[in-house]
Formats: sequence, structure tokens, C-alpha cells
Amino acid sequence: AQSVTQLGSHVSVSEGALVLLRCNYSSSVPPYLFWYVQYPNQGLQLLLKYTTGATLVKGINGFEAEFKKSETSFHLTKPSAHMSDAAEYFCAVTESGGSNYKLTFGKGTLLTVNP
Amino acid sequence: GAGVSQSPSNKVTEKGKDVELRCDPISGHTALYWYRQRLGQGLEFLIYFQGNSAPDKSGLPSDRFSAERTGESVSTLTIQRTQQEDSAVYLCASRLRQRTDTQYFGPGTRLTVL
Repeated sequence: AQSVTQLGSHVSVSEGALVLLRCNYSSSVPPYLFWYVQYPNQGLQLLLKYTTGATLVKGINGFEAEFKKSETSFHLTKPSAHMSDAAEYFCAVTESGGSNYKLTFGKGTLLTVNP
Repeated sequence: GAGVSQSPSNKVTEKGKDVELRCDPISGHTALYWYRQRLGQGLEFLIYFQGNSAPDKSGLPSDRFSAERTGESVSTLTIQRTQQEDSAVYLCASRLRQRTDTQYFGPGTRLTVL
């Protein structure tokens, strides 16, 4: 069974400050890891993903995440927050080599960006 | 191109009534998923369709929930005898084919059971 823990249901940062959203996972097989963003009243949009290869992955809107197997983590960062980054962020895991790629999600982190 | 679409966007119903939610996946996507997002919770997997294979129903919470998909097109999620705890946003996602990993999500249907 897989699980995802997102530390902090709500993170507040100032515009221009570093954004750090934490994600830890549990998986009995090598995982594929994803970060999705959800703006109000919209569906989920893929920010970035890790499948194989380089453990530091870059996504859209200046976000990046690093897969650390030893720490079972996949934290999301952005050097400088913009007002437009305010949204809810979800970390998700699925089994690599699986046949259905169904996702197990964390409970989400709501990011607030203050002017 | 067109993304995943879902209808209705909002549905309010009375406890005990049946509801049908619709999902139109991205054209050519063979895999389709339904997830449920309850307030303050992450998304929960409900059901998965892949082509003409038998669906993976392992996430359906009770026998009041069912879903159908004809071929690689539209899917409907049906909830019978709705309960207040069924209130949630129901999200549909599609994926291109086997051995690809990225799901594309629709905007969801917000279901409110009074």
C-alpha cells in the first residue's frame, strides 16, 4: 500500500520569499511522484513529476522538486513566490511499472502569498 | 486541444435521490479514472477504466456507487440513494495509453446532498 503525507495543511509566505511545500511518501516499490496544483474551482494541473533519471525535476511556473529516496521525500520548492502561486498543492504517488497508475494523494497544502 | 470535460459543474440533490455525473475524456485517451475530493481531504481513487478491460472498482466506497464507460469515450458515475456524506467534488482524469504515467484532470462536479 502507498501513502502520502503533506506536512502543513496551510503555508503562508510573502511575495518574493522562498516556497517550500513538504511531501513524504510510503511505497513498497519504486515510486513515480507527482505534484499537482489546483486553483479555485478548477481541476488539477500537473506541475512536475519524477519517474526515473535525474532526481531534481523542474516543472512549470518556476517550481522544482527533488526526489530523495533515503528520506522518502519529494519536497516542492520555488525560489521566489508570486501572488499567482496562491493555490492548493497536492503531492501524489503511484507505482512504477504498475499497470493502472492510479494515484494516491496527500491531503493538500493551501499556499497563501501575502503582498 | 480540448481537455477533459465534466458535467454538470454543480449538482444539488436531496438525500435518497440518484445522480449521474458525466466525464468526456481527452480524445484518444484509453485510460479513465474517477476520484472523489471531500472537503479538507486529498483525492480518493474510485474506479479505473482501461480500454475494453474489466474496470478496477477497488475504490468504490459502497454498492451505491457504479460507473460505466463505453469503449474509449464518455463515462458516467452513478450514485444511488445519495447520502449527505456523498457530498464532494468528483474529478475525472484521463491518460493517453498503457505505460504512460500522466493523468489529465477535468474541472470536477461539485455534488451537494441536502
